[in-house]
Amino acid sequence: TQLLEQSPQFLSIQEGENLTVYCNSSSVFSSLQWYRQEPGEGPVLLVTVVTGGEVKKLKRLTFQFGDARKDSSLHITAAQPGDTGLYLCAGYSGYSTLTFGKGTMLLVSP
Amino acid sequence: DTAVSQTPKYLVTQMGNDKSIKCEQNLGHDTMYWYKQDSKKFLKIMFSYNNKELIINETVPNRFSPKSPDKAHLNLHINSLELGDSAVYFCASSLGTGLGQPQHFGDGTRLSIL
Repeated sequence: TQLLEQSPQFLSIQEGENLTVYCNSSSVFSSLQWYRQEPGEGPVLLVTVVTGGEVKKLKRLTFQFGDARKDSSLHITAAQPGDTGLYLCAGYSGYSTLTFGKGTMLLVSP
Repeated sequence: DTAVSQTPKYLVTQMGNDKSIKCEQNLGHDTMYWYKQDSKKFLKIMFSYNNKELIINETVPNRFSPKSPDKAHLNLHINSLELGDSAVYFCASSLGTGLGQPQHFGDGTRLSIL
């Protein structure tokens, strides 16, 4: 079973601060996705990274896939209360099997 | 205009009962999934169907039986409910089984066993 470790598990910051969430594994993933989940809702896809070393930007969010395709990071610049939620990384390794990390709960206070 | 819809949203029932959760997607996707999210928010795949055929069964007890009458629907029936079945169950769909496909999730069914 391939595992994805996310850190930190919980992050509480003030509006305007920057933060980075990490997703690490000892296994190689063919692609990696980041989802955000809000209370009472299902996860919503933010980005998919496929190539080792790839960097993708989505407004204030920057996603990076490690060169060896075993790790990824999500950096948020100038966090806002609307960024509050559970951030999940998930990796594809086999036949449509998506393995999720345990998530990082982000709370951004005004 | 909900893409992936699940019913019911909440399900409270006694241990030992049998219950079903329904899922429908209007995205025209070929692949559908059931996930279980535990109290610590860990999301784990249970089943995956592609064009009504079972392709993934992740060592789920046989009290759980998925059924796909057509590729737009994937229902989950649970027999003899146990306390440990309490969780949020999510249905999801994707265009196909290709690696890297985005998955679209429903809003979940919160199952509470008394």
